[in-house]
Amino acid sequence: GAGVSQSPSNKVTEKGKDVELRCDPISGHTALYWYRQSLGQGLEFLIYFQGNSAPDKSGLPSDRFSAERTGGSVSTLTIQRTQQEDSAVYLCASSLPGDGNTGELFFGEGSRLTVL
Amino acid sequence: AQSVTQLGSHVSVSEGALVLLRCNYSSSVPPYLFWYVQYPNQGLQLLLKYTTGATLVKGINGFEAEFKKSETSFHLTKPSAHMSDAAEYFCAVGYSTLTFGKGTMLLVSP
Repeated sequence: GAGVSQSPSNKVTEKGKDVELRCDPISGHTALYWYRQSLGQGLEFLIYFQGNSAPDKSGLPSDRFSAERTGGSVSTLTIQRTQQEDSAVYLCASSLPGDGNTGELFFGEGSRLTVL
Repeated sequence: AQSVTQLGSHVSVSEGALVLLRCNYSSSVPPYLFWYVQYPNQGLQLLLKYTTGATLVKGINGFEAEFKKSETSFHLTKPSAHMSDAAEYFCAVGYSTLTFGKGTMLLVSP
């Protein structure tokens, strides 16, 4: 498809398990972002990749969270030893090089994570 | 540092009434400002943005917003609400990474 693709769309896991969330950005978009959306909390920035530059990890809430981007395309967000407070919708977005600096982000539909 | 405050987690209007969603921001540098909309079970999509130039910005679906530097505001308006406008609206500020507000749910009644 032409849009940002995220998988899985829904994930239910037990506390303490690890999870991986995948994002496939729009082809040609060099910038990729992960945000977390919790009920009533808006969107919380997690991490930003731009081309081959070192990622901006300033939003990751703890060292249980990590992300990588392979070949400048697909990204995986990993949450280790999940906690109930990790339950949220994880949104991925991508943007064109120029538009990456003017904020037009293209969002996927998100991965809803529920930690029991 | 930058931040966004959206006044009102829920706003209810009647179909045909004026829509006004409030956004105030804080930014240490001249801001880029955005409104995004999220329809149920969908991702966010850009409604409109202000970068430089004209302070009144027009977006999709009849929405517009005015950047007022003196008031640090970027309120979103639409003259006449449609049922299809029911969604959650997010104001955001930033450059390469955006800081979002907590969102305002717009409810439209017949």
